[in-house]
Amino acid sequence: NAGVTQTPKFRVLKTGQSMTLLCAQDMNHEYMYWYRQDPGMGLRLIHYSVGEGTTAKGEVPDGYNVSRLKKQNFLLGLESAAPSQTSVYFCASRGFQETQYFGPGTRLLVL
Amino acid sequence: AQKITQTQPGMFVQEKEAVTLDCTYDTSDQSYGLFWYKQPSSGEMIFLIYQGSYDEQNATEGRYSLNFQKARKSANLVISASQLGDSAMYFCAMNRNRASGSRLTFGEGTQLTVNP
Repeated sequence: NAGVTQTPKFRVLKTGQSMTLLCAQDMNHEYMYWYRQDPGMGLRLIHYSVGEGTTAKGEVPDGYNVSRLKKQNFLLGLESAAPSQTSVYFCASRGFQETQYFGPGTRLLVL
Repeated sequence: AQKITQTQPGMFVQEKEAVTLDCTYDTSDQSYGLFWYKQPSSGEMIFLIYQGSYDEQNATEGRYSLNFQKARKSANLVISASQLGDSAMYFCAMNRNRASGSRLTFGEGTQLTVNP
């Protein structure tokens, strides 16, 4: 039981490049979330999903897209990366209980 | 809109002493949950404790307890018998109701340093 995993752990992009971050959970959780954490700040919600095939915008959705084609996976896409998207990205999932469990994070640097 | 406020950017405590980390919140929801997460220097987010808005008793998990004062809208974390491994960033968070996806709103965090 791996919990929540994220791929990749670290990535460097040039401005304008695209990439996809993958989040996978093996806990059969319905709800999944993508957050970003900037230095000295708490986490802010980008997008979330309440079930397979559903997505919704969070607090800071601009510049990101998401897809939830399978219950266990939640993908975060950057179509045209900008330096302002340099951050640490966390995925989380939640089942029937209220607690969200987080992945280890992905460090993204956009040059 | 929901808001979490952590007014202590940094706190220091001696090993084996207790420490209280402050958290106040603002919400118009009747049903909500309050959480504390620990983020050590390695970066992962570790769940510590949860308190539901309708729970009558304060939550406890080992050395962690949550001092929930609903009328004051505060949810302070108390760590008893501090250990060196407790040195980390601590985040208070609140979730919205399930109709809103149970989204978490985080405070800016408190950096706790435990001195030997």
